[in-house]
Amino acid sequence: EPEVTQTPSHQVTQMGQEVILRCVPISNHLYFYWYRQILGQKVEFLVSFYNNEISEKSEIFDDQFSVERPDGSNFTLKIRSTKLEDSAMYFCASSELAGYNEQFFGPGTRLTVL
Amino acid sequence: KQEVTQIPAALSVPEGENLVLNCSFTDSAIYNLQWFRQDPGKGLTSLLLIQSSQREQTSGRLNASLDKSSGRSTLYIAASQPGDSATYLCAVKRYGGSQGNLIFGKGTKLSVKP
Repeated sequence: EPEVTQTPSHQVTQMGQEVILRCVPISNHLYFYWYRQILGQKVEFLVSFYNNEISEKSEIFDDQFSVERPDGSNFTLKIRSTKLEDSAMYFCASSELAGYNEQFFGPGTRLTVL
Repeated sequence: KQEVTQIPAALSVPEGENLVLNCSFTDSAIYNLQWFRQDPGKGLTSLLLIQSSQREQTSGRLNASLDKSSGRSTLYIAASQPGDSATYLCAVKRYGGSQGNLIFGKGTKLSVKP
């Protein structure tokens, strides 16, 4: 069964460093998302992406964040200068036809900022 | 602003019991509602998606209902098993925005004891 994959599973970085989180969405899906979950908190929406551009972003997704689909399979989230409060589990998700369809989530990348 | 609440926060039941998990949302203007399962330190597994025009969806031992007008959904698990132990999240996709994002509840942590 097709699934969303994410790498790495765990990333440790120093405050102020740049990190890139990678995702491979399900191959025929057209809509891509990033969410995050701080330990013990709700899952929060960050950004949605369609047709090579951001279609929606939350207040969390400030200038420190960017997303890119560098090729036909990968979808990346970049954090330019990490802060301690960026420590969280980051989930990538994708959906097939329209944003109203079921979203399928990857296993997540645990980001730890020291 | 859409808020999603899940009650109870935690639930412990003996194996074989039927159980109901509750989800409520403050704004009935939703496209759909999705139930997920999250195992500790893992990603989100989609269980059921109910469109706003539907009343319920079934998959195996799971049945989810939706009452949009009252802002409620329930997830019914029949004949619970220890393998059902996980955190169950509900999320609504709101109207507005371009592709819409999922707004999550904090989850119900279910423990099924042998």
